Amino acid sequence: GAVVSQHPSRVICKSGTSVKIECRSLDFQATTMFWYRQFPKQSLMLMATSNEGSKATYEQGVEKDKFLINHASLTLSTLTVTSAHPEDSSFYICSASPPRGNTEAFFGQGTRLTVV
Amino acid sequence: GDSVTQMEGPVTLSEEAFLTINCTYTATGYPSLFWYVQYPGEGLQLLLKATKADDKGSNKGFEATYRKETTSFHLEKGSVQVSDSAVYFCALGRGDGSARQLTFGSGTQLTVLP
Repeated sequence: GAVVSQHPSRVICKSGTSVKIECRSLDFQATTMFWYRQFPKQSLMLMATSNEGSKATYEQGVEKDKFLINHASLTLSTLTVTSAHPEDSSFYICSASPPRGNTEAFFGQGTRLTVV
Repeated sequence: GDSVTQMEGPVTLSEEAFLTINCTYTATGYPSLFWYVQYPGEGLQLLLKATKADDKGSNKGFEATYRKETTSFHLEKGSVQVSDSAVYFCALGRGDGSARQLTFGSGTQLTVLP
């Protein structure tokens, strides 16, 4: 199946700094990617839909200025957590689907963010 | 809105035991249903899916049947192996059969002991 690579897998940062997480589709082009967040012992919650060449669509309650999404190419979407705080500590995961025919979503490995 | 309620874990079983992980959903329309598995250190992988009522998804000995009358999609396996140890997520896809945008359950950690 298709491969989605997410980097880094783990990151620890200080409060007030920004962290960038990359999501790459390695063997297909993805006009749309999705970013999810998982709190401990809770569901993966959809944060935003990343659209190549246009603005991301954010779910209700997600701060656009806190979680910046850039989908500059057909194989790369980035999520930047700006001015991170301890409450931003979480597991972030992206997914992407090939544009035609295939209805399966392929997921990255996820990123464990810890803000200290 | 859409929601998925999944059996809480963790679940610990001995090898060759029977596995059931319960999943129920709330949704409008006719969603597609999925089970994803996440092995340690890896991304989520699609385990099986069903796109309409009474469909049975199956893969690697796992099965789940889309029951519209009970709004359920319980995951079963007759004889688990140590290699099945992972986190299992039930998910609901919005209406068109696409898995592109999903609502997830909370995940169930399964540990199989030799």
